[in-house]
Parts: sequence; C-alpha cells; structure tokens
Amino acid sequence: GENVEQHPSTLSVQEGDSAVIKCTYSDSASNYFPWYKQELGKGPQLIIDIRSNVGEKKDQRIAVTLNKTAKHFSLHITETQPEDSAVYFCAAKGTGRRALTFGSGTRLQVQP
Amino acid sequence: ETGVTQTPRHLVMGMTNKKSLKCEQHLGHNAMYWYKQSAKKPLELMFVYNFKEQTENNSVPSRFSPECPNSSHLFLHLHTLQPEDSALYLCASSHSGGDSTDTQYFGPGTRLTVL
Repeated sequence: GENVEQHPSTLSVQEGDSAVIKCTYSDSASNYFPWYKQELGKGPQLIIDIRSNVGEKKDQRIAVTLNKTAKHFSLHITETQPEDSAVYFCAAKGTGRRALTFGSGTRLQVQP
Repeated sequence: ETGVTQTPRHLVMGMTNKKSLKCEQHLGHNAMYWYKQSAKKPLELMFVYNFKEQTENNSVPSRFSPECPNSSHLFLHLHTLQPEDSALYLCASSHSGGDSTDTQYFGPGTRLTVL
C-alpha cells in the first residue's frame, strides 16, 4: 500500500519568512496530492492540491511542487502570517485506492 | 465552514456504555469516510462508504460499527470501548469514492474520551 512520509514534524518561522514542508510517497501510481490545514478544534481543511499532470500550482501565498520521478512533493508558504500557525498534512491517492493516505503532520508556528 | 457536520462535538463515555456518532454532509456527495485522529497516528482511515455500500474496513475492531443509511448520513456506533479509543473522530465526504482525484471534505470531528 501507499506510505507517505512528512518532514519536519515541527517548524517555527518568523512572520514574513517562508515555510517549506516536504513529503515523499511510495506508490508510483499515486496521482493526486492534496494539502490540508488543521487549526485547533477544527477538522482538516483543504488548502491546495495538485494532480500528477502538473509540476507546480500556486494560489496567492501558497504553492505546491511535485516531482513524480523522485516521488516527492512540497508545500511552500511565503510571507507567513501568525494565522498560518496550524498543523499541515500532506496526502496522496492513486487510481484504485478508495481514500487518501496522510502524512504524519507538521506543526507550523509563525512567531510575530 | 464546510458542508460536513458532526454531532456531538464532545463525548465522554464509560467502557460499558453504548453511544453513536453522527455525520451529515450537505454537498451532494456519494462517498463518506470515518477517520481516527490521535497523537500516535494522526489521520487513520477506518471505513469508507460509496453509494451507501461499505467499500473499505481498515481492520477496525468490531466495537466500532458503522452505518450508512443514505449518501448524506453516516453513523459510528460505539460499544464496550477501551481508554485507548479516546481520540478525535473525523468524518469526511467526497463526490465519489472511486475517483482517484476526488477531493475529501472534513467535518469538525467528535472529541471522544473513554473513561
């Protein structure tokens, strides 16, 4: 089955700096890679996703890159703000799999 | 706020109690999921239902019993739980459980404490 590794487990940055979270996956058939943000007391919320036919996708301060050859994908947050503080999860899903496989999460702390 | 609601938001129960968690989605989706989130395993898939049929049971103990009466509602019936079952139980839905690029939308979760 699919295995998703996520690093780092915790990340602390200064407000205005960039943050990068990396994930690797094991199943070369995976072709959908979403990122979720989970704030305290809430369920995970989708913030961006990428499909395997593109290498990069951007939405304002958030971008995701995908390297299918190396089987890794990354979340980039620029100009971080205190409200970006949360736990971020990457996930992967492939054809024939019925649900997402999640990484272990990264706790991002943005210091004002 | 998402179109997936869960009740109750918090639940405390003894090991001999029987309780049920409820999930409802207002997105017109056909697939629904139960996940368990704890410190040991952040997001662990439990069950998948597609068009009311269970399509995946991720080796979940029988003290957890899911029920999906229609595509909009999903229940998780709990009985004789153990303290290690204390966790956040998350429900999610997607358009179809068979599409590999289907986005999943999560509810806020039920925080369960087993005494």
